[in-house]
Amino acid sequence: AQSVTQLGSHVSVSEGALVLLRCNYSSSVPPYLFWYVQYPNQGLQLLLKYTTGATLVKGINGFEAEFKKSETSFHLTKPSAHMSDAAEYFCAVSITSYGKLTFGQGTILTVHP
Amino acid sequence: DVKVTQSSRYLVKRTGEKVFLECVQDMDHENMFWYRQDPGLGLRLIYFSYDVKMKEKGDIPEGYSVSREKKERFSLILESASTNQTSMYLCASNQGAGTGELFFGEGSRLTVL
Repeated sequence: AQSVTQLGSHVSVSEGALVLLRCNYSSSVPPYLFWYVQYPNQGLQLLLKYTTGATLVKGINGFEAEFKKSETSFHLTKPSAHMSDAAEYFCAVSITSYGKLTFGQGTILTVHP
Repeated sequence: DVKVTQSSRYLVKRTGEKVFLECVQDMDHENMFWYRQDPGLGLRLIYFSYDVKMKEKGDIPEGYSVSREKKERFSLILESASTNQTSMYLCASNQGAGTGELFFGEGSRLTVL
């Protein structure tokens, strides 16, 4: 079975500051890893995903994440926060290329002017 | 543009009522899922389906059932709604043997009084 832990239910940054959202996973086999974003009153949309290959993954809106097997981590970063990045972010893991994902608890990102 | 459509964005029901949440996808995906989203708990899987008329329990199936009579449609049924089923319900789909990412609908916010 797989699981995901997101460290910090709320993260607050200033506009222009670095964004770092933490995600650790457990999986008995090589995982597929995902970050999703949810804006208020909307469904989830995919930011980026790691399946195989390059461990640094670039996504939409300037976000990227690095798969670190030794640390079982998949932290999400963005060099410079924008007000429009305020949303809830979910890390997810799957052990297959199809089928169900297991989600973390979510991290609400607040961006201050 | 690919789309997962949930029939109702907001519903208010009374305790004991039977509730149907409908979901339709236009991507010819084999797999469909129902998740429940609650603050601080992230997304939890209720039921999923790998094929027409096939269903499997997720992590929190109690009090719910599902129906998949056609490939594009996956319904979540609350036989007798209770106040602890007040939540956001998210439908999602993905392709069998794809890259694993889920495509989400916009969600159905259910309030049970």
